[in-house]
Amino acid sequence: EAQVTQNPRYLITVTGKKLTVTCSQNMNHEYMSWYRQDPGLGLRQIYYSMNVEVTDKGDVPEGYKVSRKEKRNFPLILESPSPNQTSLYFCASSRGRTSASYNEQFFGPGTRLTVL
Amino acid sequence: QKEVEQNSGPLSVPEGAIASLNCTYSDRVSQSFFWYRQYSGKSPELIMSIYSNGDKEDGRFTAQLNKASQYVSLLIRDSQPSDSATYLCAVGGYNNNDMRFGAGTRLTVKP
Repeated sequence: EAQVTQNPRYLITVTGKKLTVTCSQNMNHEYMSWYRQDPGLGLRQIYYSMNVEVTDKGDVPEGYKVSRKEKRNFPLILESPSPNQTSLYFCASSRGRTSASYNEQFFGPGTRLTVL
Repeated sequence: QKEVEQNSGPLSVPEGAIASLNCTYSDRVSQSFFWYRQYSGKSPELIMSIYSNGDKEDGRFTAQLNKASQYVSLLIRDSQPSDSATYLCAVGGYNNNDMRFGAGTRLTVKP
């Protein structure tokens, strides 16, 4: 089954304790992205990756890191989480060519993060 | 800043009616337009994509695009209670990193 998976699905942590949220896709997609979703603000892009070893900042990158060492995986790292990073996080992937029809993004199930 | 605007709602329609959801965007060179459905606590699910002016129909869903007016809409015919969800409009350029999402319109279909 073609899918995007994320782990963990739920996480409660404390300020300053480093954490990693994993994301993996089995569709051989080139493009992967991380979003956070907050009430009233919609989906905001954190980081994206056009291909292996190619990453770039989205609209709200502060406090986050990413890496893309393999095509299928795109982990999100919070080195020192703070309460304002409490949010619902989604990983997404798409085929990623420079053609409009390749922009269709498929989302993972989400990770609900609470930072105390 | 490229903007995608949606009426936040909530939009309430009776079962069997047509629900009309609207979206405007600011970037004139946008090339791809999507509607996602998101149930509470779940991930967005792609339901329609449209790339050229006019209408595109898929079952009970019709997407309408007017690039001159920078406007895209979604019509849901014969609305069902299971259509109750938040609908996200997404607009993209030539590259994936140009994708922008609206804040979503919450739709409630009453039996």
